[in-house]
Amino acid sequence: NAGVTQTPKFQVLKTGQSMTLQCAQDMNHEYMSWYRQDPGMGLRLIHYSVGAGITDQGEVPNGYNVSRSTTEDFPLRLLSAAPSQTSVYFCASSNDRQGGTEAFFGQGTRLTVV
Amino acid sequence: SQQGEEDPQALSIQEGENATMNCSYKTSINNLQWYRQNSGRGLVHLILIRSNEREKHSGRLRVTLDTSKKSSSLLITASRAADTASYFCATGLRSNDYKLSFGAGTTVTVRA
Repeated sequence: NAGVTQTPKFQVLKTGQSMTLQCAQDMNHEYMSWYRQDPGMGLRLIHYSVGAGITDQGEVPNGYNVSRSTTEDFPLRLLSAAPSQTSVYFCASSNDRQGGTEAFFGQGTRLTVV
Repeated sequence: SQQGEEDPQALSIQEGENATMNCSYKTSINNLQWYRQNSGRGLVHLILIRSNEREKHSGRLRVTLDTSKKSSSLLITASRAADTASYFCATGLRSNDYKLSFGAGTTVTVRA
């Protein structure tokens, strides 16, 4: 099992460019989420999905789109990148378990918008 | 807004000493989890404690939960250099505990 795989690991974008951050999991997990991590802020939830075809907004969704056409994949799209989106992005997946859902994280994508 | 807040923000200890960090949260939870993040890496799950549990152990880790005070603590005993990392608490809300809410983390440095 590869777990949660994110690509790319690093990316530099110019303001206004668009790109898609890829996330794939091979654990057949129902839940997938995207977080961004900024210095001193911890992780903040951007978007999440509770299954194929179902997505919803998290705490900081503006400027990002997601879709979930399969159980395995949950891409995050930046339509028009802004310097404020410079951050480290983490994808996570989890499954419903009695008593709580442990999340598995990818290695992150470090994005710089110039 | 973030649900959890860790204290202290940073901690420096000698190898072999114990490290204690605390987490406070705001609303009712289903469970509380602790994660570790090594520099430049993703988060790794350490331990989960349910809202009806008061204490849990896993190897050198001990977690306590006080729901009346809305707080938790993580104790790492006999610390090693490899324990140098950032530690985050994350709360799963009663309504939808797959939406984890993270604190800003405690950075632990273990000196050899």
